[in-house]
Amino acid sequence: DVKVTQSSRYLVKRTGEKVFLECVQDMDHENMFWYRQDPGLGLRLIYFSYDVKMKEKGDIPEGYSVSREKKERFSLILESASTNQTSMYLCASSFGGQGIPYEQYFGPGTRLTVT
Amino acid sequence: GDSVTQMEGPVTLSEEACLTINCTYTATGYPSLFWYVQYPGEGLQLLLKATKADDKGSNKGFEATYRKETTSFHLEKGSVQVSDSAVYFCALSDRNTDKLIFGTGTRLQVFP
Repeated sequence: DVKVTQSSRYLVKRTGEKVFLECVQDMDHENMFWYRQDPGLGLRLIYFSYDVKMKEKGDIPEGYSVSREKKERFSLILESASTNQTSMYLCASSFGGQGIPYEQYFGPGTRLTVT
Repeated sequence: GDSVTQMEGPVTLSEEACLTINCTYTATGYPSLFWYVQYPGEGLQLLLKATKADDKGSNKGFEATYRKETTSFHLEKGSVQVSDSAVYFCALSDRNTDKLIFGTGTRLQVFP
């Protein structure tokens, strides 16, 4: 079975802290994604990556950065956490497309609270 | 740009009732369409998908048909169970970028 794991289920950080959210997948997927999930807004794409060291901005990249040094690992970084970044963060991975709509596999999520 | 609109919840049903969750989309080209489900405390998992017009996706008693003429992909189940209580997300894929565009989600609550 495909497995996508996220480093923490719950995280509490203070305003201004640097926060790292880690995601690891074990299926050799080319694509990896970071979303945030907020009530009434659904899932919004923050960043995605097609390959090692490659990244593309999603719909809401402001205040975030990412790192993909290895194929299986995709990190989301909050350079200076703010209270409006309190949210559920979901990581996902999939095979690369070439126009084929591969399924995305999701991790269990990290609920981040910034105080 | 592309978008997905789905009915707001919560949808509250008694066990064995019929379910329909509406989903309509706006897209250029011919996207693939998906329904994902999120059970309490978990991430999303694919429920079903359809890749072209008139395709019907089905899984676990749920069905949805890709209707190009009405740009819809409504989720249906003939008899829901308490274990179906979850949040359901409709999504479409962008064939050029592998991205998914999600609707806002519909919470289903099924009572015994």
